Amino acid sequence: AQSVTQLDSHVSVSEGTPVLLRCNYSSSYSPSLFWYVQHPNKGLQLLLKYTSAATLVKGINGFEAEFKKSETSFHLTKPSAHMSDAAEYFCVVSENTNAGKSTFGDGTTLTVKP
Amino acid sequence: EAGVTQFPSHSVIEKGQTVTLRCDPISGHDNLYWYRRVMGKEIKFLLHFVKESKQDESGMPNNRFLAERTGGTYSTLKVQPAELEDSGVYFCASSQYSGPYEQYFGPGTRLTVT
Repeated sequence: AQSVTQLDSHVSVSEGTPVLLRCNYSSSYSPSLFWYVQHPNKGLQLLLKYTSAATLVKGINGFEAEFKKSETSFHLTKPSAHMSDAAEYFCVVSENTNAGKSTFGDGTTLTVKP
Repeated sequence: EAGVTQFPSHSVIEKGQTVTLRCDPISGHDNLYWYRRVMGKEIKFLLHFVKESKQDESGMPNNRFLAERTGGTYSTLKVQPAELEDSGVYFCASSQYSGPYEQYFGPGTRLTVT
């Protein structure tokens, strides 16, 4: 069984300040982990993914995440928020099996204040 | 390259009526997934096609939901008869490979049952 917990349903930051979106997971398998972003009226877009290679993963638009097995965490960070980062973010865990069934967190809505 | 498309973008129907949602995956993607997000809760897996075969339909809520993928191209998800609790956003995603790989999502269909 696998599960994902996004620890904050809403995060608000000022433009130019750091972003931290927290995600904890549990999985019976060695998991693959993803962060997706959804802007209003758009589909989910992949930001980055961890698939048992380097534990620090760099994604698009300056985002990165660190896989910490001991803490079962995969937090998403960005050094400096931009107004265009305002969106909903989803942490996803996927089985490393042929099925690759994905389990989503509840989502974190990021607000960026000018 | 065209992305995943879904039709309609929004559907409003009355309880007891029938609705059919359509998903066109990225050309060449054998894997097609349906997900649902109800009332702002987490996005939940419904089922997974590999070509025209159902690989996993463990997330389908009940027998009022019928998914098909004739010819291994586009897919339809029919809800008959619709109930109030079926309201939500239905997402379709596709991927080239099975397993823990990036899935490309469509913009979703917002279904409202009144």
